Amino acid sequence: NAGVTQTPKFRVLKTGQSMTLLCAQDMNHEYMYWYRQDPGMGLRLIHYSVGEGTTAKGEVPDGYNVSRLKKQNFLLGLESAAPSQTSVYFCASSYQGTQYFGPGTRLLVL
Amino acid sequence: GENVEQHPSTLSVQEGDSAVIKCTYSDSASNYFPWYKQELGKRPQLIIDIRSNVGEKKDQRIAVTLNKTAKHFSLHITETQPEDSAVYFCAASPPGTYKYIFGTGTRLKVLA
Repeated sequence: NAGVTQTPKFRVLKTGQSMTLLCAQDMNHEYMYWYRQDPGMGLRLIHYSVGEGTTAKGEVPDGYNVSRLKKQNFLLGLESAAPSQTSVYFCASSYQGTQYFGPGTRLLVL
Repeated sequence: GENVEQHPSTLSVQEGDSAVIKCTYSDSASNYFPWYKQELGKRPQLIIDIRSNVGEKKDQRIAVTLNKTAKHFSLHITETQPEDSAVYFCAASPPGTYKYIFGTGTRLKVLA
């Protein structure tokens, strides 16, 4: 039982490049989330999903897109990366209110 | 929109002393309040939570109290140890939203 995993662990992008972050969970959870964490700002919700095929916007959705084609996977896409998207990205899934976080992806946009 | 304020942003205590972190939430309908501990370079991990039908919950050296009237909740750590050093986040979840609004975090340092 791996829990919540994220791929990749670290990535460097140039401004304007695109990439996809993958989150996978093997706990059969309905709800999944993408957060970004910046110094002094806590965890801010980017997008979330309440089930396969559904997505919704969080607090800071601009510049990101998501997809939940399979229940166990939640993808976060950056179509045209900007330096302001340099951050640590955490995925989470939840069951009965308890959130389980992935190990994070550190993204640097130059 | 919903907002959670967390204080203090940093807290230093001597080993063995108690630490208290406070959070205030804006949405009075919020009914679930988790606390997370995040060690350096690691993922946040749930340490304790409380629901709105309960005023206090304890788990060994950790306790959380909730005051619904004042819309604030607090984390209490007693007999602090160096391994308690970490960043602590509070969160609030309004019912039916499936979302969690996080505070900005408290960096706790336990001095040996």
